[in-house]
Amino acid sequence: DAGVIQSPRHEVTEMGQEVTLRCKPISGHDYLFWYRQTMMRGLELLIYFNNNVPIDDSGMPEDRFSAKMPNASFSTLKIQPSEPRDSAVYFCASSLGSSKNIQYFGAGTRLSVL
Amino acid sequence: QKEVEQDPGPLSVPEGAIVSLNCTYSNSAFQYFMWYRQYSRKGPELLMYTYSSGNKEDGRFTAQVDKSSKYISLFIRDSQPSDSATYLCAMSANRDDKIIFGKGTRLHILP
Repeated sequence: DAGVIQSPRHEVTEMGQEVTLRCKPISGHDYLFWYRQTMMRGLELLIYFNNNVPIDDSGMPEDRFSAKMPNASFSTLKIQPSEPRDSAVYFCASSLGSSKNIQYFGAGTRLSVL
Repeated sequence: QKEVEQDPGPLSVPEGAIVSLNCTYSNSAFQYFMWYRQYSRKGPELLMYTYSSGNKEDGRFTAQVDKSSKYISLFIRDSQPSDSATYLCAMSANRDDKIIFGKGTRLHILP
């Protein structure tokens, strides 16, 4: 298996623009997680899905952030409008329900909002 | 007090030395403990996964949990330059709870 695949790897955008990050989980995994990593706050859980249904979005910073999982093999994290403080590395991870805590991470999307 | 505390380093040690990485935590409900390794510009990769107190060994890596002290450690024996990375501790109260991560310790193994 190719592992968790994220795109794009790097995104540079201007403040106010819409940003869409994409994730393909490992085939067969029923949990999908979106994390954000910064130097100041470390790795923080934003939202997670089980069987394509959002379970906990309490980590989403504000209404500018939204996430969808239209099917078992694809998820998006959207920021609209983007702000400089959204600059971070965004990771997607997936896991199997029997071992929910054993999460496999993608390589991340490095987002810079100018 | 933060839930999980981890010294950010950097920690520099010569090749072949034993490395000790540590985390402290405040939530006594934590029962599942993990160590992730993260190379530069890559995602975290699970190294060790333990439940409750005690030791677990996997090759050159040993994870140790002391719940009475709320203290976990990762030991790396015969350290190699390829071990240079950021190591994040992580923990949760049960399998369905969200994982709380430490901010990571940067480790440099000097050839």
